[in-house]
Amino acid sequence: NAGVTQTPKFQVLKTGQSMTLQCAQDMNHNSMYWYRQDPGMGLRLIYYSASEGTTDKGEVPNGYNVSRLNKREFSLRLESAAPSQTSVYFCASSAGDRGTEAFFGQGTRLTVV
Amino acid sequence: GDSVTQMEGPVTLSEEAFLTINCTYTATGYPSLFWYVQYPGEGLQLLLKATKADDKGSNKGFEATYRKETTSFHLEKGSVQVSDSAVYFCALSPWAGRRALTFGSGTRLQVQP
Repeated sequence: NAGVTQTPKFQVLKTGQSMTLQCAQDMNHNSMYWYRQDPGMGLRLIYYSASEGTTDKGEVPNGYNVSRLNKREFSLRLESAAPSQTSVYFCASSAGDRGTEAFFGQGTRLTVV
Repeated sequence: GDSVTQMEGPVTLSEEAFLTINCTYTATGYPSLFWYVQYPGEGLQLLLKATKADDKGSNKGFEATYRKETTSFHLEKGSVQVSDSAVYFCALSPWAGRRALTFGSGTRLQVQP
């Protein structure tokens, strides 16, 4: 059982380049999330999708776009990368019901130079 | 808005010592509370959870009790091992509305032999 799979694991971008982070889950979960993790700041929510076809902004959405392609897949796009977007990015999924936990991918370490 | 505050790290302990990591929260209603653990280079894994007041979550020797009166969910373990060295995150999921997790800043635990 793969759970939540993210690609790539590592990426280096130049300022202004674009890229898409891919995420897929095989647990038939309704809700999916993108977080970024920065030292001393925990995980902060970038975007959230409660169900297929819906997306909502989280705490730090500026500079990002998302697509909920189907129930399994939720991608995060950086249109014009900036050094401030250097971070570790985590995708997660959950059933979305009250009290249910989220399952996380292994993360993508992104460096923007 | 919702928030989670956890003690600053790093916490350094000797093997077999008693562990407490403090966590308090601010949220309306009755959020669900979680502790996640992150080992080096990996994603977050659920350690334990509690979904209502006075519930005790437990797993792998770790425990935490949901205290509504003090809005706390402190993590404890009676005897830590070197293998417990990791970063621990306290998180909450709201009572109503968007179910995305809100995280604390994380506490790094180092256990020395």
